[in-house]
Amino acid sequence: GENVEQHPSTLSVQEGDSAVIKCTYSDSASNYFPWYKQELGKGPQLIIDIRSNVGEKKDQRIAVTLNKTAKHFSLHITETQPEDSAVYFCAAPQEYGNKLVFGAGTILRVKS
Amino acid sequence: ETGVTQTPRHLVMGMTNKKSLKCEQHLGHNAMYWYKQSAKKPLELMFVYNFKEQTENNSVPSRFSPECPNSSHLFLHLHTLQPEDSALYLCASSSLLGSAGYNEQFFGPGTRLTVL
Repeated sequence: GENVEQHPSTLSVQEGDSAVIKCTYSDSASNYFPWYKQELGKGPQLIIDIRSNVGEKKDQRIAVTLNKTAKHFSLHITETQPEDSAVYFCAAPQEYGNKLVFGAGTILRVKS
Repeated sequence: ETGVTQTPRHLVMGMTNKKSLKCEQHLGHNAMYWYKQSAKKPLELMFVYNFKEQTENNSVPSRFSPECPNSSHLFLHLHTLQPEDSALYLCASSSLLGSAGYNEQFFGPGTRLTVL
């Protein structure tokens, strides 16, 4: 089955700097890679996703890159703001069905 | 609001109690999920229901009993729990695209469960 590893576990950046979170996956057949943001007291919410037919996707200050050969994908947040402080999870699909396997999460702290 | 509601938001129960968690989605989805979130395993899939039918039981102990009476409602019945079952229980829903598609999962806010 799929195995997803996520690094780093915690990340502190200064407001305005960029943040990068990386994930690796094990199943070369995986074709969908979402990123979720979880704020305190809330459930995870999808912020961006990418499918295997593209290498990069952007949405304002966030972007995701995918390297299928190396089996890793990354979340990039530019011009970080205090409201970006949260826990971020990457995920990849299980080998069959509609299940997702999540990474262990990254606690992002943006210091103002 | 994500369109997925969970009640109660907080629950404290003794090991001999029986309680139920409720999840309701207002998104017209046909798949629903229960996850357990704890410090040891951040997002651990427990159960999956597709079109009201259970399609996944991720080796969950029988003291957790799910119920899906229709595509909009999902319950998790709890009995004789252990202190290590204390965690945040998250419900999610999604729209099935068939075997080739993976759609966004919408999560509820979770129920914070404490077992004494």
